[in-house]
Amino acid sequence: SQQGEEDPQALSIQEGENATMNCSYKTSINNLQWYRQNSGRGLVHLILIRSNEREKHSGRLRVTLDTSKKSSSLLITASRAADTASYFCAPLRNQGGKLIFGQGTELSVKP
Amino acid sequence: GAVVSQHPSWVICKSGTSVKIECRSLDFQATTMFWYRQFPKQSLMLMATSNEGSKATYEQGVEKDKFLINHASLTLSTLTVTSAHPEDSSFYICSARGDPLTNTEAFFGQGTRLTVV
Repeated sequence: SQQGEEDPQALSIQEGENATMNCSYKTSINNLQWYRQNSGRGLVHLILIRSNEREKHSGRLRVTLDTSKKSSSLLITASRAADTASYFCAPLRNQGGKLIFGQGTELSVKP
Repeated sequence: GAVVSQHPSWVICKSGTSVKIECRSLDFQATTMFWYRQFPKQSLMLMATSNEGSKATYEQGVEKDKFLINHASLTLSTLTVTSAHPEDSSFYICSARGDPLTNTEAFFGQGTRLTVV
């Protein structure tokens, strides 16, 4: 199946610490996207990494992609309480592919 | 990022009635729209994909006669839950995407909390 599987399912850290979430998938991909969902809200797109890229940065976010291992990681540095949310990865086989989500990682950042 | 507006944000309806949820892309043309439902503490389940002017493609196990999807224009898609029952109570979320050749990210609406009593 195309969906990614996030790990860990839940992560609790203190403000200021870094948070790392992982995503594994099974098929070849065109790109992989990370999204955040605050409780009771829709998803917000965070970052997209293409299959020919290995690392990408956006503010406090750093995403890596290892296509040989079919895995990606999302690092949030210097976390804040406002980063508390669920994080989902979405691997896409092609540019027009469906966005299918796994269970996500529930991140809790304690002040 | 682009804005997708979903309406209503919450609705309560009686069993047997129908409910329509609207999803609008406010500042871009949505070539494709996706509809999801989400139960508490669970992930989003893709229900269907719709392309403007075409019939929606439903995921396996989703009843197309119960969940009617219309994508009549490049800025509007609607999901109608027909003859709603309490088990249809859920959080419904739409997302919209423009031309996939130039931009493959999707923008999500705020979600609609449906409660069927």
